[in-house]
Amino acid sequence: DVKVTQSSRYLVKRTGEKVFLECVQDMDHENMFWYRQDPGLGLRLIYFSYDVKMKEKGDIPEGYSVSREKKERFSLILESASTNQTSMYLCASSLTGFNQPQHFGDGTRLSIL
Amino acid sequence: KQEVTQIPAALSVPEGENLVLNCSFTDSAIYNLQWFRQDPGKGLTSLLLIQSSQREQTSGRLNASLDKSSGRSTLYIAASQPGDSATYLCAVSPGGSNYKLTFGKGTLLTVNP
Repeated sequence: DVKVTQSSRYLVKRTGEKVFLECVQDMDHENMFWYRQDPGLGLRLIYFSYDVKMKEKGDIPEGYSVSREKKERFSLILESASTNQTSMYLCASSLTGFNQPQHFGDGTRLSIL
Repeated sequence: KQEVTQIPAALSVPEGENLVLNCSFTDSAIYNLQWFRQDPGKGLTSLLLIQSSQREQTSGRLNASLDKSSGRSTLYIAASQPGDSATYLCAVSPGGSNYKLTFGKGTLLTVNP
């Protein structure tokens, strides 16, 4: 089974802090994704990566950056956390190619105070 | 812009009932449609993926159908159980990319013992 592991289930940070969310997958997937999930808005794609050091913006990249130095690890960075970034963050991975399902981690619930 | 709608937003049924969850999408140019399950406070679990050339997929008590021309998919759950209680989400991948999934907001299913 595919295992996507997010480093923290719950995280509390302060406004203005630089925040790192980490995601690791163990199935040698080329693609990795970061989403946020908010009530009433559903899941929205922040960034995705299709290879090491490669990234593309999703629908809501403002205020975020990402890093992918190794194939198995994809980090989401909040450069200067703000209260409107309080959310559930979900990481996913998939193989390259069409019709490959995305596999999700358990999520990180991030609160910015 | 692709929009995905799931109706109803919530559904409550007695144990043992067969039920249907609905998903509609506005742009029929898709590569595939996926159904996911999300338990409270957890990530998403991929249930079924239907390729655009397929009409249906089955896994155990679950059967998903796709009518691409009318922009509709249904998830049929047979002989529902309390353990089926969760939020069910559908997502479509646009033609030309498997990456940018567009999600519906989900149907919250409660199966009462």
